[in-house]
Amino acid sequence: LAKTTQPISMDSYEGQEVNITCSHNNIATNDYITWYQQFPSQGPRFIIQGYKTKVTNEVASLFIPADRKSSTLSLPRVSLSDTAVYYCLVTTTDKLIFGTGTRLQVFP
Amino acid sequence: KAGVTQTPRYLIKTRGQQVTLSCSPISGHRSVSWYQQTPGQGLQFLFEYFSETQRNKGNFPGRFSGRQFSNSRSEMNVSTLELGDSALYLCASSEPGHNYGYTFGSGTRLTVV
Repeated sequence: LAKTTQPISMDSYEGQEVNITCSHNNIATNDYITWYQQFPSQGPRFIIQGYKTKVTNEVASLFIPADRKSSTLSLPRVSLSDTAVYYCLVTTTDKLIFGTGTRLQVFP
Repeated sequence: KAGVTQTPRYLIKTRGQQVTLSCSPISGHRSVSWYQQTPGQGLQFLFEYFSETQRNKGNFPGRFSGRQFSNSRSEMNVSTLELGDSALYLCASSEPGHNYGYTFGSGTRLTVV
């Protein structure tokens, strides 16, 4: 069963690129990786999803190495509004396993 | 398109009571899943329903149960409430398949006193 761990917190400044890594051992061949953003008193919001290699959308990129034991969410040029908690999610055939969450603080 | 709607937003219950939470998915979404979020345990998966059938289940005691109706709306029930059940309960809906992600509601904040 996949277990997911993330750094507890990260600090950054506006305009910088932020990379948040999630470690997920024992990930199975068919498991997907998804990243979510959560603000206080709100539900998590979908950012990006991937299976392998690299995926990019209008807000982020997701890098997954060949062994798939980790994944990295990349946020280009963060702003103050990106201050939030970020979760990775491993979707298996019968369970959904969230990471521990990374609190990103962006400073001006 | 309306988002995922959870009711009520806030709830206070006494130990030993039971509670029912409601979730209305995005129109057209047929899969609904439930999660418990606490400061100590983070986000934990409770169960997932599709076409009125429970497809997957997390590691929670039998006091936690759910159901899904023919219109895809879902309810979650917790019986014999304990203080430790105080949490934010989140519901998410999706189309089946891994390529669509989950859309979450804003949650129901349950406080057990």
